[in-house]
Amino acid sequence: SYVLTQPPSVSVAPGKTATITCEGDNIRNEDVHWYRQKPGQAPVLVIYYDDDRPSGVPERFSGSTSGNTATLTISSVAAGDEADYYCQVWHSGDHPGNVFGSGTKVSVL
Amino acid sequence: EVQVVESGGALIKPGGSLRLSCAASGISFSDVLMNWVRQAPGKGLEWVGRIESKTGGGTTDYAAAVKGRVTISRDDSENKLYLQMNSLKTEDTAVYYCTTHRYFQFWGQGTLLTVSS
Repeated sequence: SYVLTQPPSVSVAPGKTATITCEGDNIRNEDVHWYRQKPGQAPVLVIYYDDDRPSGVPERFSGSTSGNTATLTISSVAAGDEADYYCQVWHSGDHPGNVFGSGTKVSVL
Repeated sequence: EVQVVESGGALIKPGGSLRLSCAASGISFSDVLMNWVRQAPGKGLEWVGRIESKTGGGTTDYAAAVKGRVTISRDDSENKLYLQMNSLKTEDTAVYYCTTHRYFQFWGQGTLLTVSS
């Protein structure tokens, strides 16, 4: 089955840039979506189709893919960005299905 | 405003069955692919399955972990989505979310299913 690997945690100082990676075999050929989940809340879509932002998501959030890595970048990080972030793809292989990464906890120092 | 509301969560004994419901409003429900995603306590997100819109063929897809034990259905006249779960296991304990579209655009707040003796 298709596996998406994320770092368990990322720490960043306020005002700096957080970079969250999501590794998967040839992920550049997949459509990657990203979600933010704060404690006790439902996830929220922050990036879809690699680099599109839903209405209401700040321009500070951006996405990209290259090779085997998709990246979510959060610039000018603020305390309110502290959350778990998940990548997700629909993988059409032998066992097609949606796959989530294991999640990355972003901590603002 | 889009609203997604799940219901039906409960405490069920292993081997039991349960049907979860999801009511969606503010979207053209019949045109939208719908999904179920779950999250075990303290764990990450896990996709359960999805159902295409009728115009998209109405087909269903399921995660390997639940295939054969769950059925997703929809009632477009009521704007409702369902998840029928059978032969429940303790590892099915989770908050179950209903989400819209292929890229999970809108989410409900979830409903808790606890499987325990």
